[in-house]
Parts: sequence; structure tokens; C-alpha cells
Amino acid sequence: ELKVEQNPLFLSMQEGKNYTIYCNYSTTSDRLYWYRQDPGKSLESLFVLLSNGAVKQEGRLMASLDTKARLSTLHITAAVHDLSATYFCAVASGAGSYQLTFGKGTKLSVIP
Amino acid sequence: EAQVTQNPRYLITVTGKKLTVTCSQNMNHEYMSWYRQDPGLGLRQIYYSMNVEVTDKGDVPEGYKVSRKEKRNFPLILESPSPNQTSLYFCASRPSLRGMNTEAFFGQGTRLTVV
Repeated sequence: ELKVEQNPLFLSMQEGKNYTIYCNYSTTSDRLYWYRQDPGKSLESLFVLLSNGAVKQEGRLMASLDTKARLSTLHITAAVHDLSATYFCAVASGAGSYQLTFGKGTKLSVIP
Repeated sequence: EAQVTQNPRYLITVTGKKLTVTCSQNMNHEYMSWYRQDPGLGLRQIYYSMNVEVTDKGDVPEGYKVSRKEKRNFPLILESPSPNQTSLYFCASRPSLRGMNTEAFFGQGTRLTVV
């Protein structure tokens, strides 16, 4: 059974600071997703990581994937209040990668 | 506009009264799935469908049924809802192409309360 662990689950940080969210998973996978969810809203796709060493960046967010370590990171650079949200990683598994297992999410609060 | 549409957005029902939550996508995606989101548990997959008439159980299928008679629609059926099915439900779709940037698109969510 695939397990996906995110940490931290709660993160309070000041504007302008850097921080990293970690996503560990227990079995081999060929793709990993990062999503953002604002309170009361749906999930917004941030990144899809398909291969070992993949790195993607969008604005102040950068995601990377190490398939050997079964670890993905979401790095936040110079946080701003607008980044406050809950961030989920999700790992694909099974034939055709149809099954998606989510981490429990990291609730990020950026304090002005 | 590419979208996944769920209905209803909010639903309060009584124990045992059958209900259906509809999900429709306009992107011609092969793959569709249902999730429930509960505080402290994240999202858990209920059922998924790889294409028309092809469905399979996710991690928490008990108490739910699905059908995929058309490519665009993937309804979630609760034959006899119980209070432990009170949750926020999301439908998602994505193309099935392997090796490509196949992000999933999520619906707006359906908040279900079973009393």
C-alpha cells in the first residue's frame, strides 16, 4: 500500500522568508503532483514531476523530485501573503498510474 | 473553457435516502475519479474510471457506486447514505496519455451532509 507523508502539516512563516515542504512516499512511482487549495475552494494544479531530478519553477515556488530517495520538495522563496493556502502532494501508482494517493496537506500561513 | 462541473455544490440529506452527485467534463478526458476530503485525512480516492464502462475501486469505495456510460460523465451514487459519508467530495479528470504532462483538473467540490 502506497503511503505519502508530508511535513510539516502546519507552517507559519513571515513574509520574505524561505522554507521547504517535504513529501515522502513509500513505493516506486512515475509521477508526482503538487496542488494548492485555498479555503473553501477546489484544488489547483501547480506542478507535475515525471522523472528523477525533475525541477519545475513557477514564481516563488519550485518543486523537485528525487525518485531514488522517493522524495519531492516544494520550496518557497521570499514568501508573500498570497501564498497562504494548503499544499498537497499526490503520488500516482498502479497500472497506468490511475490511482492517486494524496499527502495530508501542509497548511501554510504567511504572516505580513 | 475547460472545466469539470459537479452538481450539486451543497447537499443535506437524511440517512438512507439515495442520492447522486453528478460530474461532467468537457475536455474529452479518458480518466475520471472521485475523492473525498476530510479534515486531517487529506483526499482519499473513492473510485476511478479509465474509460467508458471501465471503473475500479480506489482506497475508500465502501458505500459508493459509480458508472461511466459516457466519456464526459462520471456520477457518484450513494445508495443508502450514512452520517460517516458526510464529507467534501471532488471529481477530477485527466487524459490518460503516459509520459506527458498529464495534470488533473478538479471540480468545484460538493459538500455533503448526511443527518
